[in-house]
Amino acid sequence: AQSVTQLGSHVSVSEGALVLLRCNYSSSVPPYLFWYVQYPNQGLQLLLKYTSAATLVKGINGFEAEFKKSETSFHLTKPSAHMSDAAEYFCAVSEGKGFGNEKLTFGTGTRLTIIP
Amino acid sequence: DGGITQSPKYLFRKEGQNVTLSCEQNLNHDAMYWYRQDPGQGLRLIYYSQIVNDFQKGDIAEGYSVSREKKESFPLTVTSAQKNPTAFYLCASSIGRRQTNYGYTFGSGTRLTVV
Repeated sequence: AQSVTQLGSHVSVSEGALVLLRCNYSSSVPPYLFWYVQYPNQGLQLLLKYTSAATLVKGINGFEAEFKKSETSFHLTKPSAHMSDAAEYFCAVSEGKGFGNEKLTFGTGTRLTIIP
Repeated sequence: DGGITQSPKYLFRKEGQNVTLSCEQNLNHDAMYWYRQDPGQGLRLIYYSQIVNDFQKGDIAEGYSVSREKKESFPLTVTSAQKNPTAFYLCASSIGRRQTNYGYTFGSGTRLTVV
């Protein structure tokens, strides 16, 4: 079964510094991978997705992620953190071959704090 | 605008009561899902439905029930058999089997508290 592991339940960075949130996956088939963001008491919003096209994926709010098959990783980065980036971030993997009704398995989340 | 509407936003349940959480979508999505979120545990799948009139248990279905009588609606009932129902509940939908998986669209959640 597919799974994702998010390293670090809490990450703190200074405003203007690089944001790096780590996600490693395990999948028996070429994976479809996703990053979501959740603000307090809200639902999850899709940041970006990898669907076997370009390995460097750009998303909303200046975030991007790179798919590295050799490292089974899909880490999320942003060059310069902004106070509005403070939220919880979830990595997810699709359980099948990329069809639109497949279940997603989510990581346990990383809470990002921005230090002024 | 298309989206998913969850109601109510906050819900309080007395011991022994059943409560129903509403989830409605106007995205014309075939598949719908219910997740439970607890601090530090991420999202855990309760039930999912890939098509109208069909649904399957997820990882933590005990104490919950669902129905899928209409494409747009996927209500979740938290029964008195669920011993620890206090949590944040999220509903989501995705496009369907004939399309590429572009991920889920989520509702804004319902926070259920036992009083």
